[in-house]
Amino acid sequence: EPEVTQTPSHQVTQMGQEVILRCVPISNHLYFYWYRQILGQKVEFLVSFYNNEISEKSEIFDDQFSVERPDGSNFTLKIRSTKLEDSAMYFCASSEGQGRMKYEQYFGPGTRLTVT
Amino acid sequence: DQQVKQNSPSLSVQEGRISILNCDYTNSMFDYFLWYKKYPAEGPTFLISISSIKDKNEDGRFTVFLNKSAKHLSLHIVPSQPGDSAVYFCAASDDNAGNMLTFGGGTRLMVKP
Repeated sequence: EPEVTQTPSHQVTQMGQEVILRCVPISNHLYFYWYRQILGQKVEFLVSFYNNEISEKSEIFDDQFSVERPDGSNFTLKIRSTKLEDSAMYFCASSEGQGRMKYEQYFGPGTRLTVT
Repeated sequence: DQQVKQNSPSLSVQEGRISILNCDYTNSMFDYFLWYKKYPAEGPTFLISISSIKDKNEDGRFTVFLNKSAKHLSLHIVPSQPGDSAVYFCAASDDNAGNMLTFGGGTRLMVKP
């Protein structure tokens, strides 16, 4: 069964460093998402991406964050200068479609980011 | 932001009995609702969804009920199995908000053999 994959599973970085989290969405999916879950808190939406553009982003997704689809398979989240409060599980998700057709989002296993 | 709430942080059920997980929402623009199951150290796994034009959707042992007037949905699992033990999240989306999902805080279900 197709699945979303994410690497690395755990990333430890020092405050102020840049990190890139990687995801390979399901191959026929067109919409891609990043969510995060700080320990003990809800899963929160960060950004959605379609046709090489950001389609929606939350208030969390400030100028320190960026997303890219560098090739036909990978989808990346970059945090330019990490802060302690960026420590969280980051989940990538993908869906076939969006909007009125209401396609489900399928999630990857997550990357645990620890900022020290 | 409490647009989607799961008021019960945990639920314990005997194997073979029904599990009922509840979810309330406040945003009347939500028109699509999903339930996800999550095991430790894994991502959320999609279970079942329901559009706001329906009041029930069934898939095997899982049934989701939607009461739009009460802004309430529930997930019924019957019969419950020990392998169902996990954290269950309800999520909602608004067609006008780019399909971003707003999650509840989750309910930990424990099914005892």
